[in-house]
Amino acid sequence: SQQGEEDPQALSIQEGENATMNCSYKTSINNLQWYRQNSGRGLVHLILIRSNEREKHSGRLRVTLDTSKKSSSLLITASRAADTASYFCATVGTGNQFYFGTGTSLTVIP
Amino acid sequence: EPEVTQTPSHQVTQMGQEVILRCVPISNHLYFYWYRQILGQKVEFLVSFYNNEISEKSEIFDDQFSVERPDGSNFTLKIRSTKLEDSAMYFCASSLDREVEAFFGQGTRLTVV
Repeated sequence: SQQGEEDPQALSIQEGENATMNCSYKTSINNLQWYRQNSGRGLVHLILIRSNEREKHSGRLRVTLDTSKKSSSLLITASRAADTASYFCATVGTGNQFYFGTGTSLTVIP
Repeated sequence: EPEVTQTPSHQVTQMGQEVILRCVPISNHLYFYWYRQILGQKVEFLVSFYNNEISEKSEIFDDQFSVERPDGSNFTLKIRSTKLEDSAMYFCASSLDREVEAFFGQGTRLTVV
């Protein structure tokens, strides 16, 4: 399976702290993307990192990619209560479909 | 900002009935997808569609499922004879190109009773 697996499954932090989520995958990828899903809602694209990139920033988000370990991490700095959501990594391989992981449920306590 | 819209937001149907889930992708996008998410589980790929034909489909997408782009703007998912286990949130997505970000709709919650 090409699907990613996120770790941890659930994470609870205080507002202002940083949150780190990890994703591991199994096959070669062209890029890896992170999405957020608020409860019962659609998926919102956060950031895309290509296989030849090692790190990427977008606002309070920092993504790393290690293709040798087939892993990625998403760091959210200075978390806010509004960051409470599930976070998914999605791998995009040679086909044009996205494979989503199981997600990390993040709770930011005000 | 352009967005993917899905209708209805919630559909309740009896087992064995046909349902059609509708999606309007972002107008200049070329790739279209359907995904589903059973409550509490991961988002699962169903099918991708490009150039008016299915480009890839998963093993979930069996003969009971079909997709159409009937008029150049809508993208539909039909389930011919619904089963209880088809109850899930169904997400439509579109992207401008391969290997770029996909934009997802808010989903249709399908409940089969």
